[in-house]
Amino acid sequence: QQQVKQSPQSLIVQKGGISIINCAYENTAFDYFPWYQQFPGKGPALLIAIRPDVSEKKEGRFTISFNKSAKQFSLHIMDSQPGDSATYFCAAGLFGGATNKLIFGTGTLLAVQP
Amino acid sequence: GAVVSQHPSWVICKSGTSVKIECRSLDFQATTMFWYRQFPKQSLMLMATSNEGSKATYEQGVEKDKFLINHASLTLSTLTVTSAHPEDSSFYICSATASGKYNEQFFGPGTRLTVL
Repeated sequence: QQQVKQSPQSLIVQKGGISIINCAYENTAFDYFPWYQQFPGKGPALLIAIRPDVSEKKEGRFTISFNKSAKQFSLHIMDSQPGDSATYFCAAGLFGGATNKLIFGTGTLLAVQP
Repeated sequence: GAVVSQHPSWVICKSGTSVKIECRSLDFQATTMFWYRQFPKQSLMLMATSNEGSKATYEQGVEKDKFLINHASLTLSTLTVTSAHPEDSSFYICSATASGKYNEQFFGPGTRLTVL
């Protein structure tokens, strides 16, 4: 029940295209869903996060769509650029929970071709 | 703001030796710090959670005597890999949560450990 399933495992997108990465969770208690971007040899960096009281959040070219009933959320990268090539991880946690623990998805390796 | 540093960024050691990795929150007080392990092309695996001044909470399957965690202050946590073996070679990443910012974890740049 603590799993977060992420797909696809890898993704190739042409420059200017839309990259879409999907995640699904099982624990209905989760109420905090961040996305992290990681470049090789670096630590993850928070991209954008959403809480389930909204169905969509947009920050620049990055948008999270959230479907509470389906227990799914996705990251959309508009106008994808070669500099977006990285590994993306979704995560789920309890906002304000005692442990502050995050459960991470398995990651998606995105390659944006010029 | 919210910068987390790690030292060293990489380390090579001989089998049987111990290695200490430091994690520091540079511009905020970290009530909770987390230690993760990441194998190539895999996800982050949480090893333990530590709160300042108390014992770390280890995830199932993580040997607490092997991976010693100390969180002596609100800006510093250390991970010591004791009697390291080649299978301990991995990328170790810490993260920190600031007071009042629940679950917004700020990650360090990671430490690459290679045990020969």
